[in-house]
Amino acid sequence: KQEVTQIPAALSVPEGENLVLNCSFTDSAIYNLQWFRQDPGKGLTSLLLIQSSQREQTSGRLNASLDKSSGRSTLYIAASQPGDSATYLCAVTGAAGNKLTFGGGTRVLVKP
Amino acid sequence: ETGVTQSPTHLIKTRGQQVTLRCSSQSGHNTVSWYQQALGQGPQFIFQYYREEENGRGNFPPRFSGLQFPNYSSELNVNALELDDSALYLCASSPPLVEVYGYTFGSGTRLTVV
Repeated sequence: KQEVTQIPAALSVPEGENLVLNCSFTDSAIYNLQWFRQDPGKGLTSLLLIQSSQREQTSGRLNASLDKSSGRSTLYIAASQPGDSATYLCAVTGAAGNKLTFGGGTRVLVKP
Repeated sequence: ETGVTQSPTHLIKTRGQQVTLRCSSQSGHNTVSWYQQALGQGPQFIFQYYREEENGRGNFPPRFSGLQFPNYSSELNVNALELDDSALYLCASSPPLVEVYGYTFGSGTRLTVV
């Protein structure tokens, strides 16, 4: 059974500092890994998707890496801004391709 | 292109009642999945529909049921509501080649059971 863990559960940084969010998963047989952002009470916004054959993806200030063999992914957010304050969730699509398994999320607060 | 839309946005029901939540998938997407997200937790997979049939189910009782229609929209039905069913219900759609394109989520329906 796939299990996804995100550490830390919460993070508070001053504006301008780089953010590093960690995600680990137990079963390396995945189709892909997605990072999502969730604002309070809202739905999920997809940030980055890394296919199982890829090592990283980049979009603007965001960079995500994937190491399937060790079951880890890291999301880097450069030069954080107060608008980056949200909960960040990672999720893997299993080999059956029919569901996402989510971590518990990391709640980020960027202080002005 | 329109994204995934869910209705209603909020709902209050009494324990024991039944509820139906609706989801319209993104254009070009043929698969719809439903997730339950309790406060402070990650979403939990309820089930997925593909070609109008259930294509995988999480650890949820049979009182959670669903439908997918020919236009790929979907409904989630929950019977005999319990207090613990209070949560944010998220719908996600995906195109063919989910490994390349992943899932797109709607804004969710906040269900409160009193």
